[in-house]
Amino acid sequence: DIQLTQSPSFLSASVGDRVTITCRASQGISSYLAWYQQTPGKAPNLLIYTASTLQSGVPSRFSGSGSGTEFTLTISSLQPEDFATYYCQQLNSYPYTFGQGTKLEIK
Amino acid sequence: EVQLLESGGGLVQPGGSLRLSCAASGFTFSSYVMNWVRQAPGKGLEWVSGISSSGGTTYHADSVEGRFTISRDNSKNTLFLQMNSLRAEDTAVYYCAKERWLQSGFDPWGQGTLVTVSS
Repeated sequence: DIQLTQSPSFLSASVGDRVTITCRASQGISSYLAWYQQTPGKAPNLLIYTASTLQSGVPSRFSGSGSGTEFTLTISSLQPEDFATYYCQQLNSYPYTFGQGTKLEIK
Repeated sequence: EVQLLESGGGLVQPGGSLRLSCAASGFTFSSYVMNWVRQAPGKGLEWVSGISSSGGTTYHADSVEGRFTISRDNSKNTLFLQMNSLRAEDTAVYYCAKERWLQSGFDPWGQGTLVTVSS
């Protein structure tokens, strides 16, 4: 099975900050990586697919990059509604797996 | 509007069974791979099961293999998850999710249904 490791697990930042979350795969997954945002009590919401394509309706301050085994999610200027938990997911092969999550908190 | 609505969750004793349903609307259900994902209280996301558009191919996580069965009824636009031999560690919110074309993520997700396994 492909393991995904996100770093950091917790991140404290302020409104307006630029933040980056990293997701590393235990083996190459080409660009079959998605990023999700989840707020408490809600279902996850797709932000980025195929590593770098912004889902329709997602603000342009979100961006993704990477291929193979290392990927990043960047938020260019944090807004209050961005404080949430973020997950990466690999869809290269079954079983699909998720990273353990990164909780982004307000400093 | 694309919508997914889960039902069937509840309280069940260890060793018991439960069948979850996910009613789909707003898209051609029979054309898409569908999945179940769960989230234990306070924990992260865990992919559980996936099924091809025709229903002919299924996949399950090792943690549920042999106990859970994913299926679908394309004539009724409904996805199912039959859960047998339930354990306390199966306690979670269960989400159904539509897989986008060419393995490009899950969107949308249903609102989730809570399964609690406890005596």
